[in-house]
Amino acid sequence: DTAVSQTPKYLVTQMGNDKSIKCEQNLGHDTMYWYKQDSKKFLKIMFSYNNKELIINETVPNRFSPKSPDKAHLNLHINSLELGDSAVYFCASTPFETAGNTIYFGEGSWLTVV
Amino acid sequence: AQSVTQLGSHVSVSEGALVLLRCNYSSSVPPYLFWYVQYPNQGLQLLLKYTTGATLVKGINGFEAEFKKSETSFHLTKPSAHMSDAAEYFCAVRDSSASKIIFGSGTRLSIRP
Repeated sequence: DTAVSQTPKYLVTQMGNDKSIKCEQNLGHDTMYWYKQDSKKFLKIMFSYNNKELIINETVPNRFSPKSPDKAHLNLHINSLELGDSAVYFCASTPFETAGNTIYFGEGSWLTVV
Repeated sequence: AQSVTQLGSHVSVSEGALVLLRCNYSSSVPPYLFWYVQYPNQGLQLLLKYTTGATLVKGINGFEAEFKKSETSFHLTKPSAHMSDAAEYFCAVRDSSASKIIFGSGTRLSIRP
């Protein structure tokens, strides 16, 4: 069983479109994240949710809107896609928000905007 | 403020040789330190972590790392490289007061036959 699963794995879309990436974790974790990995492999946090509540919202454009219907799901919706949004987006989770806890990552969603 | 620096964006070693990936951190309070591995087209997976206690930490796949406070380092080693070790390796730091983990820029490990 995949612990953190995200769909789709690959997504190619045109500029200006709206798209969503879904994420589910079956680990019973309270905290979920979205990370963005750029073409140089640099990994940066975008959002963090704890029990459906937004904890961290980094300086991400308003076009990015996370939604957590329950603590096992954290979806990412992106409006008006731009070329610069092309990246790999990782969903992740951790048991609860504390410094020493391991973060469990999904396999990533490769987004290409053309 | 926390930061982490990985020295060398690309390291290449021969199969069977020692692997050494360098990581230095900056933290104003005792840090929690992590090494994650990313295989091609996959997500990150925890190799090992230091929280408290023994400074030499053993992880999966024969990797280990030593927390050296005086050198602010957490270098990753493996005595004998295997072809399957080829991947991207990320060092990360977090302190008890921080709300987020900071990842280094990654080191790509290549293994020569």
